[in-house]
Amino acid sequence: GNSVTQMEGPVTLSEEAFLTINCTYTATGYPSLFWYVQYPGEGLQLLLKATKADDKGSNKGFEATYRKETTSFHLEKGSVQVSDSAVYFCALSSGGTSYGKLTFGQGTILTVHP
Amino acid sequence: GAVVSQHPSRVICKSGTSVKIECRSLDFQATTMFWYRQFPKQSLMLMATSNEGSKATYEQGVEKDKFLINHASLTLSTLTVTSAHPEDSSFYICSARSPGTGIYEQYFGPGTRLTVT
Repeated sequence: GNSVTQMEGPVTLSEEAFLTINCTYTATGYPSLFWYVQYPGEGLQLLLKATKADDKGSNKGFEATYRKETTSFHLEKGSVQVSDSAVYFCALSSGGTSYGKLTFGQGTILTVHP
Repeated sequence: GAVVSQHPSRVICKSGTSVKIECRSLDFQATTMFWYRQFPKQSLMLMATSNEGSKATYEQGVEKDKFLINHASLTLSTLTVTSAHPEDSSFYICSARSPGTGIYEQYFGPGTRLTVT
């Protein structure tokens, strides 16, 4: 079956530091990959996505590249801000009986200090 | 746009009682809604998929008689936890998909914290 593994948190950084949150996956076929973000008190929001190998998703300064050879989709940002403090979820969706359904990683809590 | 609300945000109930959680799409029509359960420090686990006007499809291991899902309109889905027990205490999250967006676009509600005493 499908599974997603994220690096364990929590991650604590100072403002303007570089961020990497690792994500690897196991899936049948050719999944689409996503990063969702959950700010305190809010629902999950789609941050970025990539639907095929070597695609790069980007949004709000965050980037992630779909690496089929390493089955990874690591999230990066060059300079984090306090407002980036949130929980980040890596997810995938594949075809077949799982079509349109999302499989999530366990989430990584990011705290950015001024 | 694409806002999903859940009510209540928190609920405490006694063991053996039933609790209903509502999920509403506020500014779009949701043909498909999903219900997830999230344990502390763990991932979201998909419980069931509901399509408006038809029976929900439950994931393996989810008791359909315990977690009743109704998607009676294009803007409302409800999850009823019947005969709740302390092990049902969890964070329940719904999401909704609009027919006008991509197959993978889901809009999430803020979640409902259920505590069974």
